[in-house]
This record gives sequence, structure tokens and C-alpha cells, in this order.
Amino acid sequence: TQLLEQSPQFLSIQEGENLTVYCNSSSVFSSLQWYRQEPGEGPVLLVTVVTGGEVKKLKRLTFQFGDARKDSSLHITAAQPGDTGLYLCAGADDNQGGKLIFGQGTELSVKP
Amino acid sequence: GAGVSQSPRYKVAKRGQDVALRCDPISGHVSLFWYQQALGQGPEFLTYFQNEAQLDKSGLPSDRFFAERPEGSVSTLKIQRTQQEDSAVYLCASSADRGLRTEAFFGQGTRLTVV
Repeated sequence: TQLLEQSPQFLSIQEGENLTVYCNSSSVFSSLQWYRQEPGEGPVLLVTVVTGGEVKKLKRLTFQFGDARKDSSLHITAAQPGDTGLYLCAGADDNQGGKLIFGQGTELSVKP
Repeated sequence: GAGVSQSPRYKVAKRGQDVALRCDPISGHVSLFWYQQALGQGPEFLTYFQNEAQLDKSGLPSDRFFAERPEGSVSTLKIQRTQQEDSAVYLCASSADRGLRTEAFFGQGTRLTVV
């Protein structure tokens, strides 16, 4: 069974601080996706990482895929209240169609 | 439509009642997925369709859960004899093709509460 462990589960920080969310697995994934979900809404894709060691930047967000394609991290620089939400990582396996395995999520609260 | 549409948004069912949840994917999208999201958790895969074919139903928790997509567009997730543990948000997602690198778009979900 493929599992993704996400940490921390909850994070409450002040505006302007930096943070990192981790997503770890003992399984290899073909690709890994990061989503952001707001209350009452479905997850919205932020980025997909495919190659081991890959780093992608999206404004103040930096995403990294581990060399072995088992883990990933999301780093937010100078967090803002608008970053508040549930961040989810999800792994995909080429052998299992488009099925996604999600982590438990990280609930981020950024206080002004 | 502009996005994935799910209905109803909220459903309260008495234990033992049957429910049907509807998903209208983005027009022309080949792949359709159902996920179950418990409170404070990440979504868990239920089932996957490619057009009208149900290719993977390994995530359906019991034989009380049934999904269909008879014409390859709208899909319905049916839960028979609902139990309290079925209370969750049910999310539908669609993507343009089978490719893993193709973005899946999620609907807003249906929040099911079994009382």
C-alpha cells in the first residue's frame, strides 16, 4: 500500500515568516502534485513535479521532488494571510492510471 | 461548463437511507475520479472512469457503494443503506485524458452527513 506522510499537520505562523511542509513516502512515485484547498472548495493544483531532484518555483512557493522520487517539500517565503489554507501533496503512479494518493494535509494559518 | 459541478452541495441522510451524488465533469474530459474526504484528512481514492468504463474501483469501501458513468459524461455515486461512517465530503475530479501529467480539476464536493 502506498502512503504519503505529510508534516506538520497544523502550522500557525505570523505574516512574513518562512515555512516548510514535508511529504514523505517509502514508495516511489512517477510524479507528485501539490494542491491547496480552501474551506468548502475542492483542491486546486499548484504544481506537478516529475523528475527526481526537480525544483519548481511559483512566486513565493518553492517545490522540490526528492532524488529518489519518494519525498517532496513545499517552502513558502514571507508567508501572507492569503496563503492560509489546507496544503495537500498527492503522488501518482504510472501503473495505476490517474489515481492519486493524498497525504493527510497541512492546515496553514498565517496571522497578520 | 466552466468547471466540475457537483450536486447536491450538502446532503443530510438518515441512517439506512440511500443517496445519489451527481458529478458533471468538464465537457469533453475523458477521465473522471471520485474521492472521499473525511474531516481533517486528505482525499482518499474511490473509483476511476475512462469514458464510460470503470477501470478502477479498488477504493470503494464496501458493496454499498456503486458508481456509474453510462454515457461517458455525467457520473453518479450511489451509497445504499448509509451508515454514520459514510459521513464525509465526496469529491469528483475530471481530466482531459488519461495522462498522469494532465491536470485533474476538482468540483466543490458534496458534504454528506448521516444522522
